[in-house]
Amino acid sequence: DTGVSQDPRHKITKRGQNVTFRCDPISEHNRLYWYRQTLGQGPEFLTYFQNEAQLEKSRLLSDRFSAERPKGSFSTLEIQRTEQGDSAMYLCASSLRGTEDYGYTFGSGTRLTVV
Amino acid sequence: AQKITQTQPGMFVQEKEAVTLDCTYDTSDPSYGLFWYKQPSSGEMIFLIYQGSYDQQNATEGRYSLNFQKARKSANLVISASQLGDSAMYFCAMRDLLLGQGAQKLVFGQGTRLTINP
Repeated sequence: DTGVSQDPRHKITKRGQNVTFRCDPISEHNRLYWYRQTLGQGPEFLTYFQNEAQLEKSRLLSDRFSAERPKGSFSTLEIQRTEQGDSAMYLCASSLRGTEDYGYTFGSGTRLTVV
Repeated sequence: AQKITQTQPGMFVQEKEAVTLDCTYDTSDPSYGLFWYKQPSSGEMIFLIYQGSYDQQNATEGRYSLNFQKARKSANLVISASQLGDSAMYFCAMRDLLLGQGAQKLVFGQGTRLTINP
């Protein structure tokens, strides 16, 4: 297992287009998180999955955002009708329940640029 | 709500010197956990060290140690014998319970960009 994988690493899209990002967590991790990081800021929590259930969503997650984790494995984050303000790094993290004190494992992120 | 403050936007240090990165926090929870992460230019957040609020001793992991001063609500990261590869963004974070879920999210500070000069 090579850690948390995110695809694509970079995405440039025109305003108004839809984009989808994928996250493959560490296989035995049942918890998955999405964060957004804008330039010069720390990551901010977007949403949380336990297995396939989406149990928490931040107010940052507008109606244009949707996330899924079918079968409790990989997860996708879709942004519809992208806006320039959506430009950011989108980070995925996973953890195994009870081991978070040893750190959440983050992926390398997807950097989105909306032009 | 949990809050993390990192007041040093940038730090410049000579190679092999020790460096301290500041972090203060605010919480009303009696039990909490503090983390430090490193983010190189590749973007990945790399876990460095964890300190629990009830831990009696300061956490250490190799060249990293956490100077935990509970009364001052500070959790500074100390890197000994800095190396060129330590150049990166460093984030202090605190766990925040997701109510009713038994899980936690991380609340991050704004980060400090550390540059190690040869």
